Amino acid sequence: DTAVSQTPKYLVTQMGNDKSIKCEQNLGHDTMYWYKQDSKKFLKIMFSYNNKELIINETVPNRFSPKSPDKAHLNLHINSLELGDSAVYFCASSYTGDTEAFFGQGTRLTVV
Amino acid sequence: QKEVEQNSGPLSVPEGAIASLNCTYSDRGSQSFFWYRQYSGKSPELIMSIYSNGDKEDGRFTAQLNKASQYVSLLIRDSQPSDSATYLCAVNSGGSNYKLTFGKGTLLTVNP
Repeated sequence: DTAVSQTPKYLVTQMGNDKSIKCEQNLGHDTMYWYKQDSKKFLKIMFSYNNKELIINETVPNRFSPKSPDKAHLNLHINSLELGDSAVYFCASSYTGDTEAFFGQGTRLTVV
Repeated sequence: QKEVEQNSGPLSVPEGAIASLNCTYSDRGSQSFFWYRQYSGKSPELIMSIYSNGDKEDGRFTAQLNKASQYVSLLIRDSQPSDSATYLCAVNSGGSNYKLTFGKGTLLTVNP
């Protein structure tokens, strides 16, 4: 069973479109994250949710809107996509206070 | 700005040798430290966590932490070609339990 799963794995879209990435974890964790990994492989946190509550928003443009319907799901919606949004987006999860985070397989977003 | 620094490499070692990966961090309040391995095109995979000064061994891997020097390292003994990957150092920074700050990673190549 996949512990942290993201869909889709690949996403190619045109500038200006709106797209969503979904994430689900079956580990029973109560904290979930979105990370962005750019072309230089630098992994940077975007958002963190604990028990469906937004805890961290790392100066991400407000075109990015996370939504957590329950502890097991954290989705990422992106409006008005730009070329610079092209990257790999990773979802991750952990227990509260234990930042041993487990990552999903990633979503490679390409904006053309 | 809390930072985690790693030598980007590439670090090249022969099969059977010891690979030594280093990481320094800027936030003295950091409490937990992690090493992730990321194969090309794959997601980061947790391989070691360390919380107190000293050494922690797990199989061929040894993590070392020196909080006074703000330094954490990973030793891989009897390196195998399958160890070839990017190794990411991650630090729980900012006194928060919800955020990992990653270094830019060190690319390790183990030559048969």
